[in-house]
Amino acid sequence: DIQMTQSPSSLSASVGDRVTITCRASQSINSFLNWYQQKAGKAPKLLIYAASSLQSGVPSRFSGSGSGTDFTLTISSLQPEDFAIYYCQQSFSTFWTFGQGTKVEIK
Amino acid sequence: EVQLVESGGGLVKPGGSLRLSCAASGFTFSNVWMSWVRQAPGKGLEWVGRIKRKTDGGTTDYAAPVEGRFTISRDDSKNTLYLQMSSLKTADTAVYYCTTTPSYCSGGTCSWYFDLWGRGTLVTVSS
Repeated sequence: DIQMTQSPSSLSASVGDRVTITCRASQSINSFLNWYQQKAGKAPKLLIYAASSLQSGVPSRFSGSGSGTDFTLTISSLQPEDFAIYYCQQSFSTFWTFGQGTKVEIK
Repeated sequence: EVQLVESGGGLVKPGGSLRLSCAASGFTFSNVWMSWVRQAPGKGLEWVGRIKRKTDGGTTDYAAPVEGRFTISRDDSKNTLYLQMSSLKTADTAVYYCTTTPSYCSGGTCSWYFDLWGRGTLVTVSS
């Protein structure tokens, strides 16, 4: 299976900060990379699909980039409602896998 | 309203069986691939398996930890997705989510993602 590794595992940031989360695949996955946000006690929510396409209704402060093995999720100006856990997920191989998650906490 | 509603979770002993259901509404269920994703308490997300729409063959694929024990099926006439789980282990304890799984196609290749999610149903495997 393709392993997905996110970094950092957690981070503390302030409202208004620019936040970057990295996801690395154990082999090339082209642009078959998606990002999700999960708040406590809730189902995950799709943010970005195909590495850089913003899901409808998701604020434009969220953006995704990358291809091959290295990908980035950027929040341009962190808002109070953005404190959550973020997951990347690949759909390149037959067996889909998630990263371990990155928890974004309030500083 | 566009939604997915899971049901059927509960407490089951190791080695037991359980069937989860996912009722879909507000969209054309037969047109989409569907998946199950689970989350053990305090842990991350884990893809369980998927089923293609019938026009794509209606076939299924499963993650290694559940292959041979879990079976995904769908009844398009009832707009319902199922997850039949057998030979359950304590490691299968998790919230189980059903999700729509549309694709984004460009240049002849397609990428799949999890779009609409249900609220999940908790399965606890314990003696």
